[in-house]
Amino acid sequence: DVKVTQSSRYLVKRTGEKVFLECVQDMDHENMFWYRQDPGLGLRLIYFSYDVKMKEKGDIPEGYSVSREKKERFSLILESASTNQTSMYLCASSTAGVTLYEQYFGPGTRLTVT
Amino acid sequence: AQSVTQPDIHITVSEGASLELRCNYSYGATPYLFWYVQSPGQGLQLLLKYFSGDTLVQGIKGFEAEFKRSQSSFNLRKPSVHWSDAAEYFCAVGIYNFNKFYFGSGTKLNVKP
Repeated sequence: DVKVTQSSRYLVKRTGEKVFLECVQDMDHENMFWYRQDPGLGLRLIYFSYDVKMKEKGDIPEGYSVSREKKERFSLILESASTNQTSMYLCASSTAGVTLYEQYFGPGTRLTVT
Repeated sequence: AQSVTQPDIHITVSEGASLELRCNYSYGATPYLFWYVQSPGQGLQLLLKYFSGDTLVQGIKGFEAEFKRSQSSFNLRKPSVHWSDAAEYFCAVGIYNFNKFYFGSGTKLNVKP
């Protein structure tokens, strides 16, 4: 069964802290994605990666960076967390080609920045 | 700008009743269209997709969706809702050559016993 796991379900951090969110997929997928989910706004793409060490900005990359050193792992980094980054963060993966949009999601990390 | 609109924020239906969730998109060409479902505390799961061809597509869990080009719509339907269908449903639009993927704001479905 396909699996996308995220390192934490809940996380509480202080303003200014550096925060790492980790995502691992076991499906050998080329593509990996980070979204944030906020009520009334749906999901918004932060970054995606189509190969190891490759990344592209999504719609809301400001305040975030990513790292993909291995195919199965995609990290989201908040360099200096702020309260407006309190949100649900979802990781997803997919194969290359037209199935880019057939994404498998992890359970999410609910991040609270105080 | 491209957008995906789900006009209903909340919908309540009785168990056994039929369901239709609305989705409209704005984009010049026909994009790839998707419906995802998110159960409480879970990530999203793909219900069904439309790329081309037959405009009525079948998905998992008894769901279907119909693409209507003239209305720029991709509405999700189910003939008889089960209590386990209570969840949040997201319509999504993909524009392949531009690697763009947009989600609607979601519709929360409540099912009355």
